[in-house]
Amino acid sequence: DIVLTQSPGTLSLSPGERATLSCRASQSLSSSNLAWYQQKLGQGPRLLLYGTSARASGVPDRFSGSGSGTDFTLTITRLEPEDFAVYYCQQYGNSRWTFGQGTKVEIK
Amino acid sequence: EVQLLESGGGLIQPGESLRLSCAVSGFTFSTFAMSWVRQAPGKGLEWVSTVSPRGDSTYYTASVEGRFIISRDNSKNALFLQLDSLRAEDTAIYYCVKNWWDVTMRVPVIDYFDYWGRGSLVTVSS
Repeated sequence: DIVLTQSPGTLSLSPGERATLSCRASQSLSSSNLAWYQQKLGQGPRLLLYGTSARASGVPDRFSGSGSGTDFTLTITRLEPEDFAVYYCQQYGNSRWTFGQGTKVEIK
Repeated sequence: EVQLLESGGGLIQPGESLRLSCAVSGFTFSTFAMSWVRQAPGKGLEWVSTVSPRGDSTYYTASVEGRFIISRDNSKNALFLQLDSLRAEDTAIYYCVKNWWDVTMRVPVIDYFDYWGRGSLVTVSS
C-alpha cells in the first residue's frame, strides 16, 4: 500500500500568515487521486481539495493545492481563525484508500 | 442536503460483536460507493472498508479483513458495518462516508470521500 507522510506534524502560525503543508507519497501516484481534508476539534472531517487542486463546494479560494508524483502541497494563503484545525491528505489507488497522519495547524 | 447519520456504537467487551448502521439522505444512495473510516482517540484517520454502489464488491483494510463485514441496503438508503471479534485496538469513532465513485464505474480510477457523518464511538474494553 502507498504510505503518505505529512510534514510538519504541527505548524504554529498567527492569523493572517501563510501555511504550507506537505504530503509525500511512498510511490508515485496520480494527481487525480490526491485529496485533502480539514478536521476541526470534535467534528467529522470535511473535504477541502480533490484531484490535488480542485476545491470542494464552499471552500474559500485561500485554500490551494499543488504537486505531482510523490510530493503534494496544501497552501492556505492567509490564515483565518476558523482555519486552525488538523489537515489530512488521502490517496486512492488499486482499491486501497490511505491517509497521511495529519498536520495540526495551531495558533501561535 | 446530504446527511449521513451513524448509530449502533457503544461499550463492548473484547471478542464480542457490534453492528453499526448509517442512515443516508440527500442523494441517490444506490448510485455511489460508501465507506467506513475510523479514528482512534487522539489519532489520525484510517480507512476501514468500502462497498461498491450495487453492493457486489467489498474492500477492507488488512487489520479488519475476516472480522468486519460491510453491507448496504439500497432499498432503505442504509449502510452497515458488522464488527466481530472486536479488539481493544478497534476502539475508535467510526465515520460513515460517501465516496465520489459512482455506479458508472465498475472499478474506480479516481475516488475520494466527499461527505462524512458525525461518527459513532465504539469502545472495546473489559
